[in-house]
Amino acid sequence: DAGVTQSPTHLIKTRGQQVTLRCSPKSGHDTVSWYQQALGQGPQFIFQYYEEEERQRGNFPDRFSGHQFPNYSSELNVNALLLGDSALYLCASSPETLYGYTFGSGTRLTVV
Amino acid sequence: GEDVEQSLFLSVREGDSSVINCTYTDSSSTYLYWYKQEPGAGLQLLTYIFSNMDMKQDQRLTVLLNKKDKHLSLRIADTQTGDSAIYFCAERESGGGADGLTFGKGTHLIIQP
Repeated sequence: DAGVTQSPTHLIKTRGQQVTLRCSPKSGHDTVSWYQQALGQGPQFIFQYYEEEERQRGNFPDRFSGHQFPNYSSELNVNALLLGDSALYLCASSPETLYGYTFGSGTRLTVV
Repeated sequence: GEDVEQSLFLSVREGDSSVINCTYTDSSSTYLYWYKQEPGAGLQLLTYIFSNMDMKQDQRLTVLLNKKDKHLSLRIADTQTGDSAIYFCAERESGGGADGLTFGKGTHLIIQP
């Protein structure tokens, strides 16, 4: 049983560019959350998707947007990249009745 | 606002017990989690505890919750070299459905031979 899969694993972008990160949740999970983990920090909640809608959002600007597809997979889009957006982006999935989130291995984004 | 605090480092000898501590501020937290992160990897859920519980044991792991003091601890018995990692405490606020987690900055567990 595949867990949460994320692509790509690594990415280098230039300031001002746009990026799309992808996530496939664990089988049986319908809720997807995205987190940003800067170096030496704990993950910070960006937003959560359920039934193809953003259900909850953390303290991130509108440059961060997302989407969830009917098959529960999700994308995270970041526009107008800043150097400070360099981080590990983690996707987590969970069933609606929650006991714990399953995390993917993340996408390492470097903005130069 | 929500805040989760952890010590940054813990060093223990192989075979000893490790105790990693965490404090949180959100009184409405209903679920508290411990995650493990190895270098270059994502987060692995180790265990969780509901806020109406005081203790939970799972093989080598024991979680203690003092709700009055908002203090959570993770004890790892017979610590092995494979336990070397960063351990994150996280809380989830009660709100119905699945909500975002608030994480601490993580505790680096260092194992001495």
